[in-house]
Amino acid sequence: GDSVTQMEGPVTLSEEAFLTINCTYTATGYPSLFWYVQYPGEGLQLLLKATKADDKGSNKGFEATYRKETTSFHLEKGSVQVSDSAVYFCALIQGAQKLVFGQGTRLTINP
Amino acid sequence: ETGVTQSPTHLIKTRGQQVTLRCSSQSGHNTVSWYQQALGQGPQFIFQYYREEENGRGNFPPRFSGLQFPNYSSELNVNALELDDSALYLCASSLKRGGPYEQYFGPGTRLTVT
Repeated sequence: GDSVTQMEGPVTLSEEAFLTINCTYTATGYPSLFWYVQYPGEGLQLLLKATKADDKGSNKGFEATYRKETTSFHLEKGSVQVSDSAVYFCALIQGAQKLVFGQGTRLTINP
Repeated sequence: ETGVTQSPTHLIKTRGQQVTLRCSSQSGHNTVSWYQQALGQGPQFIFQYYREEENGRGNFPPRFSGLQFPNYSSELNVNALELDDSALYLCASSLKRGGPYEQYFGPGTRLTVT
């Protein structure tokens, strides 16, 4: 079945550092891809999405590009802030039904 | 625009009891999905409801059941609670028309089974 594999955490960076969180997927068709963020004690918030190959999703300084040839959707940000500390989930969906999530990557940004 | 809301926020139950969790979908959305998120894990799909009918189910036993109402709100019922049912239960709503079927999540209900 479909699956998502994320970079193991936790990840700890200093403020203004460059961030990459790796995500690869396995799917039989052509899924849409998402990054969700979960702040402490909260539900999931949609961060960005891409629906087809070579699409780039972006939001709040975060970016991810849908790479069909490498089945990847890595999350990047040029300069992280303390407020970016959260758990990040990569996910895919095919059709209208279920999201398949990775295991999550906990990110901590130190001032 | 009203977002997805869930109630209650927290719940403590004893093993063997039954529980009902509630979800109100985002305005204009006709589909509700439920997920279970164990501590330190990614959410796992339980089932989805569309137009008051179950529209797909994950690998969860029949003691997990649900309902969707005409106003698209939904309930998740869990019978015969087990300790492993302790988790954050997330509801997500979406609009089943066109694509890419983005799902918007509520804040979750934290269930503790003792």
